[in-house]
Amino acid sequence: DAGVIQSPRHEVTEMGQEVTLRCKPISGHNSLFWYRQTMMRGLELLIYFNNNVPIDDSGMPEDRFSAKMPNASFSTLKIQPSEPRDSAVYFCASSLQGRDTQYFGPGTRLTVL
Amino acid sequence: QKEVEQNSGPLSVPEGAIASLNCTYSDRGSQSFFWYRQYSGKSPELIMFIYSNGDKEDGRFTAQLNKASQYVSLLIRDSQPSDSATYLCASYTGRRALTFGSGTRLQVQP
Repeated sequence: DAGVIQSPRHEVTEMGQEVTLRCKPISGHNSLFWYRQTMMRGLELLIYFNNNVPIDDSGMPEDRFSAKMPNASFSTLKIQPSEPRDSAVYFCASSLQGRDTQYFGPGTRLTVL
Repeated sequence: QKEVEQNSGPLSVPEGAIASLNCTYSDRGSQSFFWYRQYSGKSPELIMFIYSNGDKEDGRFTAQLNKASQYVSLLIRDSQPSDSATYLCASYTGRRALTFGSGTRLQVQP
């Protein structure tokens, strides 16, 4: 069975450009999470969806970040405009419910020049 | 104070030894705890979880939970070089999704 799928795996862009990261959770999972990981700050939760509804977006750094989950099998994280400090690895994870084991995708390594 | 705290390491142990990784948490309402392993350049993967006080064993791994002391640990017996990775501790409090610690880097010396 396929795990969490993320695309692209690597993204290099210039400051000011829009970046869209995509995620397909494991089929049947009701909760989806977006994380950002850097050496300095570790693994940070950005936003958490349950049944396609955003439950907790307190980790979204600022208005430049937005996330959507239009259906149970797809989510996007958008950064507009991007800045060099957004460079990080962005992980998507899914679980049956919020309290359950989370399964992580392979991540997207974002570099903003 | 961070909700979940771990020593960043690196923790260095010789091959065949027991590696002991520790984690403390601040929220007494925490209900369950998870240990993830993350190899360099890879995504976190679950090793085991624990809900109840005491020990839980799975192969070479043992998770220990002491709710009175707000302490969780992971023991790795017969450590192998392939165990060299960063180990992330996470807690679930019921209010939001998992809260992760910053991770402990383990190095197993051949």
